[in-house]
Amino acid sequence: SSELTQDPAVSVVLGQTVRITCQGAGLRIFHASWHQQRPGQAPVLVLYGENLRPSGIPDRFSGSSSGNTASLTITGAQAEDEGDYYCHSRDSTTNHVLFGGGTKVTVL
Amino acid sequence: QVQLVQSGVEVKRPGSSVKVSCKTSGGSFSSYSFSWVRQAPGQGLEWIGQIIPIFDTKNYPQKYQDRVTITADESTSTTYMELSDLRFEDTAVYYCARETGGYIDFWGQGTLVTVSS
Repeated sequence: SSELTQDPAVSVVLGQTVRITCQGAGLRIFHASWHQQRPGQAPVLVLYGENLRPSGIPDRFSGSSSGNTASLTITGAQAEDEGDYYCHSRDSTTNHVLFGGGTKVTVL
Repeated sequence: QVQLVQSGVEVKRPGSSVKVSCKTSGGSFSSYSFSWVRQAPGQGLEWIGQIIPIFDTKNYPQKYQDRVTITADESTSTTYMELSDLRFEDTAVYYCARETGGYIDFWGQGTLVTVSS
């Protein structure tokens, strides 16, 4: 399939937990990775593989996957976690790169 | 550490072409693939093509197959993206991104391309 679907926006109270989801048929085969983009900045990888964080990414970011849905969870959200979050994976037929439409996270 | 450094802002006329460069430092070049991604103002990320330098293999989405050309120069660890027949709607920030193991691990800082008459 050639689409990854994300909710457009979500809000979370400071210190609480928020989950962002990404749906796509290809996620049954390929892992999703997650990228955070703050306003005016380039995206940054925050999660990849089964549940792996690059060096420097806080452990409040975690991931999971079930069927055609991948999830990114922020446990104890901080003000600096505000931004757009994009899931990334591959089309299971063409192997082309796919991005979700992005989820805007607002910390209240 | 790994850095992807892109060329600077471009302002182009409709119908012309633009070529953006992306130089990798701090890591191997040929062991990775590189994607180009664009982001129109206020919009999400859109993949416009990929190159695997070690095989000189290129992949493009059908939408851009006729207008995007991605190349790589292993001697300078640089990848290039050329977009032809520019239109107003091509105004966007263009990013290069390094890929490994099926995920993007590093991004360039982005290059703003403005198409204006």
